[in-house]
Amino acid sequence: EVQLVESGGGLVQPGGSLRLSCAASGFTFRSYWMSWVRQAPGKGLEWVANIKQDGSERYYADSVKGRFTISRDNAKSSLYLQMNSLRVEDMAVYYCTRGSGGYVIYWGQGALVSVSS
Amino acid sequence: EIVLTQSPGTLSLSPGDRATLSCRASQSVSSNSLAWYQQKPGQPPRLLIYGASSRATGIPDRFSGSGSGTDFTLTISRLEPEDFALYYCQQYGSSPPYNFGQGTNLDIK
Repeated sequence: EVQLVESGGGLVQPGGSLRLSCAASGFTFRSYWMSWVRQAPGKGLEWVANIKQDGSERYYADSVKGRFTISRDNAKSSLYLQMNSLRVEDMAVYYCTRGSGGYVIYWGQGALVSVSS
Repeated sequence: EIVLTQSPGTLSLSPGDRATLSCRASQSVSSNSLAWYQQKPGQPPRLLIYGASSRATGIPDRFSGSGSGTDFTLTISRLEPEDFALYYCQQYGSSPPYNFGQGTNLDIK
């Protein structure tokens, strides 16, 4: 059974940093592109970033480019999202996702990131 | 960057009705790389349709997707009580960002 378990969410002040982690199991992690998708409270879905199987390609939404960094550790079957210079508008549930060619088949339960002073 | 616009924003129907949800892209979606998701409160989304018209594993055949180019449709032939939820489309053609539409809220009339 595919499982994606996020951790590292919490409350941070504007301008602060946070690192999300996603522990993957039930599939061969190194064989798949992985992504982060977020959802602000009461709002729609926003694609954030994705990373190729070997980490050689990474793409970001314009809203996070230059502030967020997606990475992975295939030996640990783990996905990460380093978030710097956080803004109030970054407050959201962040989902770790695994897809197939761009669409998402598997979603984690999400990690809540709150940005407030 | 492709922008997806879903309509209507809210659709109020009754169980047994037919639902038609629209997703329009600002430019052509390559290879009909369009997916539909269903989301219920407090849950992550669930994949319904990929490739514009292929049902994901375990999805009932009352859900169908159609369309090409810039205009796509999700149809639910006969609404069941559990179908009342939020629905999102997403394009994943060419290179990222793989944007989502803003969603359609399907609620009970």
